Amino acid sequence: RKEVEQDPGPFNVPEGATVAFNCTYSNSASQSFFWYRQDCRKEPKLLMSVYSSGNEDGRFTAQLNRASQYISLLIRDSKLSDSATYLCVVNMNGDFNKFYFGSGTKLNVKP
Amino acid sequence: NAGVTQTPKFQVLKTGQSMTLQCAQDMNHEYMSWYRQDPGMGLRLIHYSVGAGITDQGEVPNGYNVSRSTTEDFPLRLLSAAPSQTSVYFCASKDVGGTETQYFGPGTRLLVL
Repeated sequence: RKEVEQDPGPFNVPEGATVAFNCTYSNSASQSFFWYRQDCRKEPKLLMSVYSSGNEDGRFTAQLNRASQYISLLIRDSKLSDSATYLCVVNMNGDFNKFYFGSGTKLNVKP
Repeated sequence: NAGVTQTPKFQVLKTGQSMTLQCAQDMNHEYMSWYRQDPGMGLRLIHYSVGAGITDQGEVPNGYNVSRSTTEDFPLRLLSAAPSQTSVYFCASKDVGGTETQYFGPGTRLLVL
């Protein structure tokens, strides 16, 4: 079983749509959670950290469900520029120096 | 600030050759790491360092060596390249701590024939 699992997609949505991704993780000792964005053939960049209480940044909302061991990302009012691959990242075994990346969920926002 | 820089951008090697991928950061970050990314897979941690003189293994360390003689630089050495090491390699740095943002370099695309 993979440590971090994501639906690879692609999710094809029209501009203005709301889209949600989930990511499940296998290690209950994980304590740090992140969503990164990766554009084609580019380096990953942090989109947002995920806190226990959930957090929001503009059109983006991240939630953590420790009981079911998943994190989610909600994007409202999708823009063409949101088209990218979204990577879920979790630290390994509670170790703050080691991180597992999911294989990513691809989002295509269409005009 | 240049952030995290990596050289070279592209490299072709023959099986058995050795080479060093360079990584440097100018943000005074103690933590640096190397990942590889293969098609359809997430980034996998190769090695990491929490400061000069301190390195440790990640998820896929075999076939790679690292050293950290300065805070700024964290080179990755391929001792004897194999086709299975064909990948995109990313270097990253961050402040020490569990919730800090990792900043990635632009990557090195390596093809081993």
